[in-house]
Amino acid sequence: GDSVTQMEGPVTLSEEAFLTINCTYTATGYPSLFWYVQYPGEGLQLLLKATKADDKGSNKGFEATYRKETTSFHLEKGSVQVSDSAVYFCALSDQGDYKLSFGAGTTVTVRA
Amino acid sequence: EAGVTQFPSHSVIEKGQTVTLRCDPISGHDNLYWYRRVMGKEIKFLLHFVKESKQDESGMPNNRFLAERTGGTYSTLKVQPAELEDSGVYFCASSPFPGELFFGEGSRLTVL
Repeated sequence: GDSVTQMEGPVTLSEEAFLTINCTYTATGYPSLFWYVQYPGEGLQLLLKATKADDKGSNKGFEATYRKETTSFHLEKGSVQVSDSAVYFCALSDQGDYKLSFGAGTTVTVRA
Repeated sequence: EAGVTQFPSHSVIEKGQTVTLRCDPISGHDNLYWYRRVMGKEIKFLLHFVKESKQDESGMPNNRFLAERTGGTYSTLKVQPAELEDSGVYFCASSPFPGELFFGEGSRLTVL
């Protein structure tokens, strides 16, 4: 079945540091890939997505590229802020099936 | 516009008791989903409603869990009787059509 593996946290870094969270997936079809974020006290929010190979999703300074050859969708941000502290979830859904498969989540804490 | 709301935000019960979680989706959203995150692990799909009909309940763990969506508006998820392994965060999400899911903040369930 479909599955998502993302790097374990927690991750702690300083403001303006570079952030990368690794995510790899296993799927039988050609899935859409997502990054969701949960800020403290809030619900899950869609951060970015990519629907086909080589697509790059981007939002709020975050980027992730759909790499079919390595089955990866790593999340990156060049300069993090304290406000980026949150739990980040990588997820996929098979085409036409909007049932999401999530990774375990990575807690990121950014210190001033 | 109000987002997806869930109640209660946190419930603490003893093993063997019953708990009912409620989800109010965004008005007009026919699709409603339940997910849960147990012990900091992956967020896993439980079930999907389209209006009042269960479209997919393949993720429901066992018959101690009962989900309803009478009238196609709000939904309830009842756990009866609760077991220790049911502890976790239960997320509800809604969407106007299969596509981007809008999540609530989650209901944390602690079974002692």
